[in-house]
Amino acid sequence: QKEVEQNSGPLSVPEGAIASLNCTYSDRGSQSFFWYRQYSGKSPELIMFIYSNGDKEDGRFTAQLNKASQYVSLLIRDSQPSDSATYLCAVTRGSYIPTFGRGTSLIVHP
Amino acid sequence: DTGVSQNPRHKITKRGQNVTFRCDPISEHNRLYWYRQTLGQGPEFLTYFQNEAQLEKSRLLSDRFSAERPKGSFSTLEIQRTEQGDSAMYLCASSSSSSYNEQFFGPGTRLTVL
Repeated sequence: QKEVEQNSGPLSVPEGAIASLNCTYSDRGSQSFFWYRQYSGKSPELIMFIYSNGDKEDGRFTAQLNKASQYVSLLIRDSQPSDSATYLCAVTRGSYIPTFGRGTSLIVHP
Repeated sequence: DTGVSQNPRHKITKRGQNVTFRCDPISEHNRLYWYRQTLGQGPEFLTYFQNEAQLEKSRLLSDRFSAERPKGSFSTLEIQRTEQGDSAMYLCASSSSSSYNEQFFGPGTRLTVL
């Protein structure tokens, strides 16, 4: 079992819809959780991180964490074609070295 | 200083040759990380430095791989006797002591081993 699991997709949503991206992790000692966006041929860029159970909102993005279920998600409201990218989930445990999932490809169609 | 830079951006080499990549982090960042990413996968951690000290290396990092950060600024990653399986994107990232979790990635070096 991989440490960080993501459905590779693609997830296709219409413009203006809510995109929901999911991630599960196996290490119960994981402490910090991250979402990165990676456009094709580009390097990852950090969107947001979350440490505590519950929701964290930043503009159109909301990260949700449920440590009991070992589950973290990213919601993108009012999805735009420019949001089309691969979204990488990453977790760390203490040492600040992230373990990445394989990413979910998101396609927002007009 | 606009971000992390990496050189070269692309490298094509023949199997068995040695290659060296360079990473220049954001100037005030004291942590520097190297990752490898293959198509359809997330980045895999290789090694990281805090200032000039190499603090951790992944089990993925074979003896053919070596990294240095001699003055705590730029870093080099050398691969000796390259193999076709080394073909990948090599990513460098840096972070500051005030926010280790926020890593900023460079554009990467794409290595192709023929």
